[in-house]
Amino acid sequence: TQLLEQSPQFLSIQEGENLTVYCNSSSVFSSLQWYRQEPGEGPVLLVTVVTGGEVKKLKRLTFQFGDARKDSSLHITAAQPGDTGLYLCAGAAGNNNDMRFGAGTRLTVKP
Amino acid sequence: NAGVTQTPKFRILKIGQSMTLQCTQDMNHNYMYWYRQDPGMGLKLIYYSVGAGITDKGEVPNGYNVSRSTTEDFPLRLELAAPSQTSVYFCASSYLTVNTEAFFGQGTRLTVV
Repeated sequence: TQLLEQSPQFLSIQEGENLTVYCNSSSVFSSLQWYRQEPGEGPVLLVTVVTGGEVKKLKRLTFQFGDARKDSSLHITAAQPGDTGLYLCAGAAGNNNDMRFGAGTRLTVKP
Repeated sequence: NAGVTQTPKFRILKIGQSMTLQCTQDMNHNYMYWYRQDPGMGLKLIYYSVGAGITDKGEVPNGYNVSRSTTEDFPLRLELAAPSQTSVYFCASSYLTVNTEAFFGQGTRLTVV
């Protein structure tokens, strides 16, 4: 059982559409991070959310941390082909030091 | 800036052979991690370290060993390679705590035949 469950696993949409991907857990996190990974590369950090209920915006990307700090979502507005990639959420539960990743959402945006 | 450097980038091993994947970072980060990523999947934590001389098991430590004699280096050792260890291995580091940004190396693609 994954500590962090991501959904959907795959998402294929047309350019200009909006989408939301989810990261859920039964554990509480002091923070959650979202990374994006392109083929042949390591993941790159997009954002860290720390406070329950927090909303952060990064251009067309909106990240939200659940009030109970057990879940997070990533919303992309007007998706572009350049948004194509694997989106991963990550965090360390409770006071642990081991940073775990979800299985990811593989997004494809078609022109 | 070099960041996190992994070597080698590619390797083919025969079943039963041993090898060490090297990882070094020049950012003076305390936290270092080893992950494996199977095709189309997320990252699974193998081992991690919160500082020199301290290592802990992650989700999938069996078949691997690590050491952390210096802040900069965190090598991963495979003693008896098995086909199930075919994967892409990523090393990462982060600054003070696990909640700060993790920087990743370029990965090592390992095939065991």
